[in-house]
Amino acid sequence: LAKTTQPISMDSYEGQEVNITCSHNNIATNDYITWYQQFPSQGPRFIIQGYKTKVTNEVASLFIPADRKSSTLSLPRVSLSDTAVYYCLAGEGGKLIFGQGTELSVKP
Amino acid sequence: SAVISQKPSRDICQRGTSLTIQCQVDSQVTMMFWYRQQPGQSLTLIATANQGSEATYESGFVIDKFPISRPNLTFSTLTVSNMSPEDSSIYLCSSDRDPVTDTQYFGPGTRLTVL
Repeated sequence: LAKTTQPISMDSYEGQEVNITCSHNNIATNDYITWYQQFPSQGPRFIIQGYKTKVTNEVASLFIPADRKSSTLSLPRVSLSDTAVYYCLAGEGGKLIFGQGTELSVKP
Repeated sequence: SAVISQKPSRDICQRGTSLTIQCQVDSQVTMMFWYRQQPGQSLTLIATANQGSEATYESGFVIDKFPISRPNLTFSTLTVSNMSPEDSSIYLCSSDRDPVTDTQYFGPGTRLTVL
């Protein structure tokens, strides 16, 4: 289970694209990279997951370079409702180890 | 996608008492996981619960304090025993990776306040 490092907090404005980068230098061959979103008083919600290159879904994109030692979550055109904590995890699944997360604040 | 429910959603308890939290998954899963989230903090894994065997606890967590049951493939309970104010946290359960969506899901959490 690779340790992940993310910025503690980020600020953005409505309509902007937000990129949150996560470092996972010790990622193992079988590890996937998964991002979760958590609102206050709720359980984490799955956003996106990938192994390498780029993954896109209706919510976000995930960019993973060839060495897989980092990844970037991209949120297009954020809104106030995207204010939340975002967690990056690297592992095979099952026992998920959470890092500190990034607290994203979206302002009008 | 799996749907996970927890009971109770919140509770206020007196010091020295115990509370049992229930976690129900709408599909059969091999492993279930219990986490604690202290105020303003990230999630910390307490233990892994497999059906038919004792739970596996992470460093810093012991069975006497956090006994876990896993009677079948859709249900688990976590008991917080002999509570103190330091146990005030949100307790969350999650399921194993869904084989169809390849995603792990979390319950909504149980907010525990110990007075």
